[in-house]
Amino acid sequence: NAGVTQTPKFRVLKTGQSMTLLCAQDMNHEYMYWYRQDPGMGLRLIHYSVGEGTTAKGEVPDGYNVSRLKKQNFLLGLESAAPSQTSVYFCASSYSGDLSYEQYFGPGTRLTVT
Amino acid sequence: GNSVTQMEGPVTLSEEAFLTINCTYTATGYPSLFWYVQYPGEGLQLLLKATKADDKGSNKGFEATYRKETTSFHLEKGSVQVSDSAVYFCAPHRSYSSASKIIFGSGTRLSIRP
Repeated sequence: NAGVTQTPKFRVLKTGQSMTLLCAQDMNHEYMYWYRQDPGMGLRLIHYSVGEGTTAKGEVPDGYNVSRLKKQNFLLGLESAAPSQTSVYFCASSYSGDLSYEQYFGPGTRLTVT
Repeated sequence: GNSVTQMEGPVTLSEEAFLTINCTYTATGYPSLFWYVQYPGEGLQLLLKATKADDKGSNKGFEATYRKETTSFHLEKGSVQVSDSAVYFCAPHRSYSSASKIIFGSGTRLSIRP
């Protein structure tokens, strides 16, 4: 099992450009999440999905869109990148929304917007 | 509101020293409590968890006990190794709409000297 994979690993964008980050999991998990990690702020939830075809907003959804067309994939889109979106992005998945289930994380994507 | 307070890093110790990383949280209801660890260049992974009061989670020599009365979940290890150098996150899970959301603090960076 590969677990949770993310592509790309690194990306540099100019302000106003768009891009899509891909997350894939092979554990048949229902729940998937996108977080961003900024220095001194821990991880913050951007969007999440409780199953194929569903998405919902997290704490910091502005400027991002997501899609979950297939159960194993969760895409994060930036329509018009801004320097404030420079961050490390982590995807995660879990078997259940029950509080006792751990989340499995991908290795992260480091995005720089100039 | 919901928040996590961890001791500020970086924490630098010598190999075989005793480790304590304090964690207190505020959360409505009764969250499940987790410690995640992030090794250099990797995503987060579960270290240990406790899902109800007085439970003790343990893994790789690390331990933490769910103390409801003090809303704490301090991480301890009797003898640290160089390979324990990483960033540690105390992370309660609480209900977020129909999913489970992790409340992240800013993490504690641990460096172990040989």
